[in-house]
Amino acid sequence: AQKITQTQPGMFVQEKEAVTLDCTYDTSDQSYGLFWYKQPSSGEMIFLIYQGSYDEQNATEGRYSLNFQKARKSANLVISASQLGDSAMYFCAMYTGGFKTIFGAGTRLFVKA
Amino acid sequence: DSGVTQTPKHLITATGQRVTLRCSPRSGDLSVYWYQQSLDQGLQFLIHYYNGEERAKGNILERFSAQQFPDLHSELNLSSLELGDSALYFCASSAQGRGYTGELFFGEGSRLTVL
Repeated sequence: AQKITQTQPGMFVQEKEAVTLDCTYDTSDQSYGLFWYKQPSSGEMIFLIYQGSYDEQNATEGRYSLNFQKARKSANLVISASQLGDSAMYFCAMYTGGFKTIFGAGTRLFVKA
Repeated sequence: DSGVTQTPKHLITATGQRVTLRCSPRSGDLSVYWYQQSLDQGLQFLIHYYNGEERAKGNILERFSAQQFPDLHSELNLSSLELGDSALYFCASSAQGRGYTGELFFGEGSRLTVL
């Protein structure tokens, strides 16, 4: 069965510090994609970053990077230099070609001034 | 702006009623997905349509149904509503085809409140 697990319901980080949000996944497929989305309090879903299962380099998008450890089936999101506007829910998601993308339960990040 | 349009943005109704949520995908996208997000929960996959045909079904209740029309817009129908159906319903579209990675483009959601 395909599954995404986010074990941190809530996280606190000091402004300007880095934070890692954990994500583990389970799939028997060899080809898959991993995503992180941000959901601010306004509710919309914002795409942050993508990692393909065959990509050898970790994906980076500005202050976001994805720490992809294939053997451990983990795809942690690292946010560097946290900003107050980073306070939001963060969802890890996976697509395996089965015509749907599944999501984890999410991690709520609080950035403290 | 993702290019995906959902209406209505907010809807308040009573138990037992029926509502229709509408979604227009991004221009050129053939795939439409529906997700349900209950309070402080993750996104639960409901159903996926591709070019008018149902492609995948999640844990969608029998009281819920969906369809995608020839102009590619989609509607999610929720009937015999219960308090537990109160949620944010997202529509997402994608440019499914060769090289598709799985990236979804989300609408702003329709927030349904059942009283």
